[in-house]
Amino acid sequence: NAGVTQTPKFRVLKTGQSMTLLCAQDMNHEYMYWYRQDPGMGLRLIHYSVGEGTTAKGEVPDGYNVSRLKKQNFLLGLESAAPSQTSVYFCASGRTGGGNGNEQFFGPGTRLTVL
Amino acid sequence: GDSVTQMEGPVTLSEEAFLTINCTYTATGYPSLFWYVQYPGEGLQLLLKATKADDKGSNKGFEATYRKETTSFHLEKGSVQVSDSAVYFCALARGGYNKLIFGAGTRLAVHP
Repeated sequence: NAGVTQTPKFRVLKTGQSMTLLCAQDMNHEYMYWYRQDPGMGLRLIHYSVGEGTTAKGEVPDGYNVSRLKKQNFLLGLESAAPSQTSVYFCASGRTGGGNGNEQFFGPGTRLTVL
Repeated sequence: GDSVTQMEGPVTLSEEAFLTINCTYTATGYPSLFWYVQYPGEGLQLLLKATKADDKGSNKGFEATYRKETTSFHLEKGSVQVSDSAVYFCALARGGYNKLIFGAGTRLAVHP
C-alpha cells in the first residue's frame, strides 16, 4: 500500500515551458487535492476533485489546469510556467462522508523551480 | 473569509521542555480543526483533530482543545523530544469537500 505518490520529485523549468505533475493514490479515495507550499504562507489549495471526471478551483487556480480521468490519478498541469510558480507542490487524497472531519493523506511533494 | 493564524517560529526548546504553539482561527459556522506535522523532507501527516467545540484531540503526547469562545486550537505537549523537531501546521475545514485552510506553519527545533 503505497498511499499517495507524486512524480517527479524535483524539476527545473525555464519560463514558458510546460509540464505535468502526476499524483496517484491507492486508497480508493473520492477526493483529491493539489496544494502549493510557499515560505511563510502555509499550504494553499490550487484545485481539487470530488470524484472521477470532476475538478473545481481552489484558492489559487490561475496558471494551472487539472484532470481526473481515472479515480486514482490527479494531474496538475502548467501550460506556460512562470517564476511565481516556483514552489513545492503537494497532492492529497481523502474519503467522503464524516462532514469536514476526515483526514487528508499527503504525498511527499514535488519541488519545482522556474528560472 | 476563513483564515488561520499561528504563532511565528522558529520555536527552539531543550529536550523535555513544555511546548505550546498558539493557533487561532476565523470562520463562520462550526469548522473542524486539525494539526498536521511535516517532518524534514516529507509530506504532511495528521497529528490530531477536533470536530466540535470543547473536543480535545490527542496523539503521541500532543493535545489541543477546540475553544469556540476564544476561536483557538493551541497545541501542547508536556515533554518534547528531539524527534518532535518538525514544522507544525494548524488548519481548518469548512463548507464541504474537506477543503483545508492552513496557517503559515511553525517550525520546532528540539535540542538534546
